[in-house]
Amino acid sequence: EADIYQTPRYLVIGTGKKITLECSQTMGHDKMYWYQQDPGMELHLIHYSYGVNSTEKGDLSSESTVSRIRTEHFPLTLESARPSHTSQYLCASSEYRGTTEQFFGPGTRLTVL
Amino acid sequence: AQTVTQSQPEMSVQEAETVTLSCTYDTSENNYYLFWYKQPPSRQMILVIRQEAYKQQNATENRFSVNFQKAAKSFSLKISDSQLGDTAMYFCAFMNPAANSKLTFGKGITLSVRP
Repeated sequence: EADIYQTPRYLVIGTGKKITLECSQTMGHDKMYWYQQDPGMELHLIHYSYGVNSTEKGDLSSESTVSRIRTEHFPLTLESARPSHTSQYLCASSEYRGTTEQFFGPGTRLTVL
Repeated sequence: AQTVTQSQPEMSVQEAETVTLSCTYDTSENNYYLFWYKQPPSRQMILVIRQEAYKQQNATENRFSVNFQKAAKSFSLKISDSQLGDTAMYFCAFMNPAANSKLTFGKGITLSVRP
């Protein structure tokens, strides 16, 4: 079944640690996105990609980085986590053409102590 | 830049009743898409309904329908025969396909369906 996956679902870490949030989709979508969402708040786009080796920064400035080496995989990395990074991170994907619907993963809830 | 405004932070409705969630947006574009997404507690965000701006007919998906008023830049969601499973946060979103197809979200509204 085609879907979009995120791991881990929950992560609690200490300040200064390097972390990578994983996102994979099995729908063959070219476009992928990372959103940051504080509890009960709207989503803000922090990164997006139109395909392999394509990455762009989103509307909200973020200290995280992303890579797109494979179509199905779009990991997000924080080199040195801080308490201000505590948030929920949502990954999404969509086709390059045709339907404009974005499909969302379940999210990773990150807490930095 | 586009903005999406959802001015009601939360609403409550009795099961089987009808509720309308409001959304307004601001854009200078003529061609765009509007969406309502549903985010149940601790569950995945899913698309509820989509409206293309060039279509005058309001979109409908089973119990969900929209009232799209292009001139007023208004896009409300009506949920008929509310069910307990409709309890969720609902986000209105705007997309300009000519601007990298990025979604701009409103702040969302928390809807509670009472048994």
